[in-house]
Amino acid sequence: SQQGEEDPQALSIQEGENATMNCSYKTSINNLQWYRQNSGRGLVHLILIRSNEREKHSGRLRVTLDTSKKSSSLLITASRAADTASYFCAPVGYQKVTFGIGTKLQVIP
Amino acid sequence: DVKVTQSSRYLVKRTGEKVFLECVQDMDHENMFWYRQDPGLGLRLIYFSYDVKMKEKGDIPEGYSVSREKKERFSLILESASTNQTSMYLCASSLSPGREGNIQYFGAGTRLSVL
Repeated sequence: SQQGEEDPQALSIQEGENATMNCSYKTSINNLQWYRQNSGRGLVHLILIRSNEREKHSGRLRVTLDTSKKSSSLLITASRAADTASYFCAPVGYQKVTFGIGTKLQVIP
Repeated sequence: DVKVTQSSRYLVKRTGEKVFLECVQDMDHENMFWYRQDPGLGLRLIYFSYDVKMKEKGDIPEGYSVSREKKERFSLILESASTNQTSMYLCASSLSPGREGNIQYFGAGTRLSVL
């Protein structure tokens, strides 16, 4: 399977700071996706980066991908209390997508 | 916007009961998935389906079955509920592989308690 492993498992920062989460995976991928989950809810897709891309931006989100190291990072700039959630990476091969345990981010107002 | 609707947000059932969790999507997606999510274990894939009447086992299919009689509906069945099936269940759907990069759209989840 393509399971991603997020690091750290928990992160606590002050509002306004940047939050960086990392993801490592083991096999080759077509793309890598990041999802967000608010407490007790379903996951919401945030951003997709293809295997031939190195960096992608979407609003306050910046994702990097290093296929040689099989790793990705998600940066949330100028964090807000509303960013408090769990974040999951999902390396995608052909069909099945496997999610890891996620990074639990707490943004303190 | 894609909408994935799970029939219940909360369910309480007794051990041994047959439990049906229903999921409906409104975007004509080929793929549908059932996951369970437990603290410290992340999301684990139970079953998935690539087409009507097709099903494939995921990583933890034991104790579960599924039904996909119509493209928009994917049901998860607990034949005889047990306490270790107490969990959050998440349904998701996506377009066929190669389209939209396999982005998955999730329902809000069903928190099932088996007593």
